Amino acid sequence: ELKVEQNPLFLSMQEGKNYTIYCNYSTTSDRLYWYRQDPGKSLESLFVLLSNGAVKQEGRLMASLDTKARLSTLHITAAVHDLSATYFCAVEWNRDDKIIFGKGTRLHILP
Amino acid sequence: DAGVTQSPTHLIKTRGQQVTLRCSPKSGHDTVSWYQQALGQGPQFIFQYYEEEERQRGNFPDRFSGHQFPNYSSELNVNALLLGDSALYLCASSLAQITQYFGPGTRLTVL
Repeated sequence: ELKVEQNPLFLSMQEGKNYTIYCNYSTTSDRLYWYRQDPGKSLESLFVLLSNGAVKQEGRLMASLDTKARLSTLHITAAVHDLSATYFCAVEWNRDDKIIFGKGTRLHILP
Repeated sequence: DAGVTQSPTHLIKTRGQQVTLRCSPKSGHDTVSWYQQALGQGPQFIFQYYEEEERQRGNFPDRFSGHQFPNYSSELNVNALLLGDSALYLCASSLAQITQYFGPGTRLTVL
């Protein structure tokens, strides 16, 4: 059974600080996704990581994938209040299969 | 280019009733997936439709059923509603299993 675990589940941090969210999954995967969700809103796709060693960056967010360790990280650099949201990682297990989400990391950035 | 659209936005039903939710995929997309997101949780995969057939299904009872039409739009039907069915229902569309784009969701409340 494919399991996806994120940690931490809650994170409160000061503006300007750096932090990392971790996503572990239990079996080999074709793709790993990172999504952002604002309260009461739908999911916004941030990154799709396809291969071992993949690294993608957008603004203050950088995602990486280590398929051997079954680990992805979402790194936040010099956090700003606008990044406050819930971040989900999701893993696709084999092509054409369902996508399993983690429980999400609720990020609160204090001004 | 319209993204994924869902209707209705909000819905209130009582236990035992039936509900139908609708989704129109992003232009050019042929695959529709449905997710249930309970408050404070990550989305849970319900099922996926491709070429008007259910291709994959998550761990949901038969009370949850769906349909995909020739124009790729989709419906999610839930029979014999339970209080625990209260959630945000998200539709996502994709083309050939490339990145899924999520709709705004339908908030279902069962009283």
